[in-house]
Amino acid sequence: AQSVSQHNHHVILSEAASLELGCNYSYGGTVNLFWYVQYPGQHLQLLLKYFSGDPLVKGIKGFEAEFIKSKFSFNLRKPSVQWSDTAEYFCAVGYNTDKLIFGTGTRLQVFP
Amino acid sequence: DTAVSQTPKYLVTQMGNDKSIKCEQNLGHDTMYWYKQDSKKFLKIMFSYNNKELIINETVPNRFSPKSPDKAHLNLHINSLELGDSAVYFCASSLAGRETQYFGPGTRLLVL
Repeated sequence: AQSVSQHNHHVILSEAASLELGCNYSYGGTVNLFWYVQYPGQHLQLLLKYFSGDPLVKGIKGFEAEFIKSKFSFNLRKPSVQWSDTAEYFCAVGYNTDKLIFGTGTRLQVFP
Repeated sequence: DTAVSQTPKYLVTQMGNDKSIKCEQNLGHDTMYWYKQDSKKFLKIMFSYNNKELIINETVPNRFSPKSPDKAHLNLHINSLELGDSAVYFCASSLAGRETQYFGPGTRLLVL
């Protein structure tokens, strides 16, 4: 079955620390990959996406992600987090079906 | 301009009641979705429609009935509400099933 795993359920960082959130997915041929962010009390917003081409993808607010095909991974990174990055982060994968499969989410808390 | 809008934003009701949530998108997308986000922030797809046709029905109780009068609207009607229906319901839309999904602001449903 198609599945998406986010191993970090809750991450706590101080401002200026570096961030890496893991995302692994089960094999399913050609995939589209996404990271969404949900700020407290708000809806999901797209951070970045990968469809093809350069496996290092840059998104909004200084986030980037790297697609490593051999590892079925699409980890999210940010070199220096801010308090305003406190949110829930969701990895999602589009397989050859009419839906996205979402991971269980990672709660990021950034303290000043 | 709001891309994906939902009404109402909050819904508090008694068990056994019937309620509806409306969703509209002005992005010109062909595919719309309903998701349920539980208290642990897990996002689970419920339904998807492509151009008014039901594509995905993810083992949702038949008390939930989606209706798509046109491809810009996807409403969700819930009969005989139960305590376990309390959640945030998100509508989303995309050009096609594997493409970027744009989410509405959510409807927070509380069943008492």
